[in-house]
Amino acid sequence: NAGVTQTPKFRVLKTGQSMTLLCAQDMNHEYMYWYRQDPGMGLRLIHYSVGEGTTAKGEVPDGYNVSRLKKQNFLLGLESAAPSQTSVYFCASSYVLSGGETQYFGPGTRLLVL
Amino acid sequence: GNSVTQMEGPVTLSEEAFLTINCTYTATGYPSLFWYVQYPGEGLQLLLKATKADDKGSNKGFEATYRKETTSFHLEKGSVQVSDSAVYFCALSVRSNFGNEKLTFGTGTRLTIIP
Repeated sequence: NAGVTQTPKFRVLKTGQSMTLLCAQDMNHEYMYWYRQDPGMGLRLIHYSVGEGTTAKGEVPDGYNVSRLKKQNFLLGLESAAPSQTSVYFCASSYVLSGGETQYFGPGTRLLVL
Repeated sequence: GNSVTQMEGPVTLSEEAFLTINCTYTATGYPSLFWYVQYPGEGLQLLLKATKADDKGSNKGFEATYRKETTSFHLEKGSVQVSDSAVYFCALSVRSNFGNEKLTFGTGTRLTIIP
């Protein structure tokens, strides 16, 4: 049971390049999330998914796209990277409960955009 | 909107000292409250949670009580260890229109324990 895994761990991009971050979970969770973590700002929600084939915008969705073609995978895409997207990206997943559900986080992807 | 305010760090304490990290929140409805911990180079892990007023969450010697009257969820530990050095995030969740719960995080408090 690997939990939540993220690929890659670290990446350097030039402005304008594109890339896809992959998140995978083996806990059969319905819900998956992408966050970015920036100094002094905590974690901010980019996009999330409530099930296979569905996605929704979070707090800071601009410049990102996501897809959830399989229940266990949640992809985050940057079509044209900008220096403002330099950040640490965390994926998380959770299951349905009556309330106060726990989110399980991956180890993070550190992205540097030059 | 929803928001979480936690004490700014960094916080540096000696081993066996008493720890308090303050957290207050603003939310519509009845949120659940969480403390997550992030050890160096790792993702966030749930430390403890409370889902209704007056609940106390506890784990690994840490405690926090959901105080609705003061909208607070302060984290405490009676005797900290070097291994407690990490970044601590206070968070709240409210149920979205899709039925899942969306987390709102505080900015994090970096804690360093010196031997």
